[in-house]
Amino acid sequence: QSALTQPASVSGSPGQSITISCTGTSSDVGGYNYVSWYQQHPGKAPKLMIYDVSNRPSGVSNRFSGSKSGNTASLTISGLQAEDEADYYCSSYTSSSWVFGGGTKLTVL
Amino acid sequence: EVQLVESGGGLVQPGWSLRLSCAASGFTFDDYAMHWVRQAPGKGLEWVSGISWNSGSIGYADSVKGRFTISRDNAKNSLYLQMNSLRAEDTALYYCAKASWNRLNDAFDIWGQGTMVTVSS
Repeated sequence: QSALTQPASVSGSPGQSITISCTGTSSDVGGYNYVSWYQQHPGKAPKLMIYDVSNRPSGVSNRFSGSKSGNTASLTISGLQAEDEADYYCSSYTSSSWVFGGGTKLTVL
Repeated sequence: EVQLVESGGGLVQPGWSLRLSCAASGFTFDDYAMHWVRQAPGKGLEWVSGISWNSGSIGYADSVKGRFTISRDNAKNSLYLQMNSLRAEDTALYYCAKASWNRLNDAFDIWGQGTMVTVSS
């Protein structure tokens, strides 16, 4: 159950697109299509943004999209907005357990 | 309104025990798997444990296996986490999270506000 690897920080200007990567192994990200992404604003509970690699829950903006290639999953946010500034965590199911990434701080410049 | 309310956190000494509870409302509790996820101060999220809708499938993080026990009472719409032999590194905000369906591999779509556990002498 080693943590998934995410960049510590990413940044972008309003209107731009950014991508956050999430690298695991064939035992987690690469072995299952159960990758999810969570957004967390300071002092708040996490919010589900993407589930099962690329599906958006009802109510989540279509500016958020997910994908996976091999052992690496990605979250792309297009048309960056100020309210997107937050911490983002990926998570993958792995054999009766879940593992999270270390988190990525998104700064909107 | 779907709601999860955690309780039972507090300050305890190393080696002590604590039982967390999560009261669920606004949805059919026994249709969904449930999880505990924790976040140490200033740190990232760490999955702790999960339980399927009928308690038939249960999982634990290696860091808590053998010390923590997850359970649920579907008649009371409640989730529990019994934490024994607590260590300083268990200090964290503990979130209760609802899965999007009834299996352990379903993502966490609703989160509570958390209950703080501090382990210190």
